[in-house]
Amino acid sequence: DIQMTQSPSSLSASVGDRVTITCRASQDISSFLAWYQQKPGKVPNLLIYAASTLQSGVPSRFSGSGSGTDFTLTISSLQPEDVATYYCQKYNSASLTFGGGTKVEIK
Amino acid sequence: QVHLVESGGGVVQPGNSLRLSCAASGFTFSDYGMYWVRQAPGKGLEWVALTWYDGSNEHYADSVKGRFTISRDNSKNTLYLQMNSLRAEDTAVYYCARGITYTYGPFDYWGQGTLVTVSS
Repeated sequence: DIQMTQSPSSLSASVGDRVTITCRASQDISSFLAWYQQKPGKVPNLLIYAASTLQSGVPSRFSGSGSGTDFTLTISSLQPEDVATYYCQKYNSASLTFGGGTKVEIK
Repeated sequence: QVHLVESGGGVVQPGNSLRLSCAASGFTFSDYGMYWVRQAPGKGLEWVALTWYDGSNEHYADSVKGRFTISRDNSKNTLYLQMNSLRAEDTAVYYCARGITYTYGPFDYWGQGTLVTVSS
């Protein structure tokens, strides 16, 4: 099975900072990669799919890039409401594995 | 407006069974792949099972294969998860989710979840 590894597992940044989260697949998954945001106590929310397509209603400060095995989620200017855990997920086959998550906090 | 409402969670002893339901509304249920995802307390997300739009294809995480069965009734707009031989490690909030396509795909709508606790 393909494994999804996120890094870092947690980070702390200041409001306005550029934040980058990395997701690595153990095998080539083309662009079948999604990113989710889960705020504390809330249901996960789809941010990006197809590695770089922004889901409707998601602020433009979020962006995704990558293909093959290496992917990144970038928050161009961190806002207080972005405090959450972020998960990547592959969906190139019937095993829709999530990464372990990256917890983002405000410094 | 898309709504997904799970039910059927509760406390169950190890080895016993439970059936979860997910009532869908606000969209054409039979056009979408549907999924179950779980989250153990304080842990990350784990995909559990999927069914294609017409129920013709099902897949399971290795951790539940042979014990859980996903099904759907498109006439009732309802998704199910039959969970047998439950273990303590199955304790989690179980979410149903809609895929963005009729087969495999990321999940654009989620229910609020139902808590399953496996404990003696």
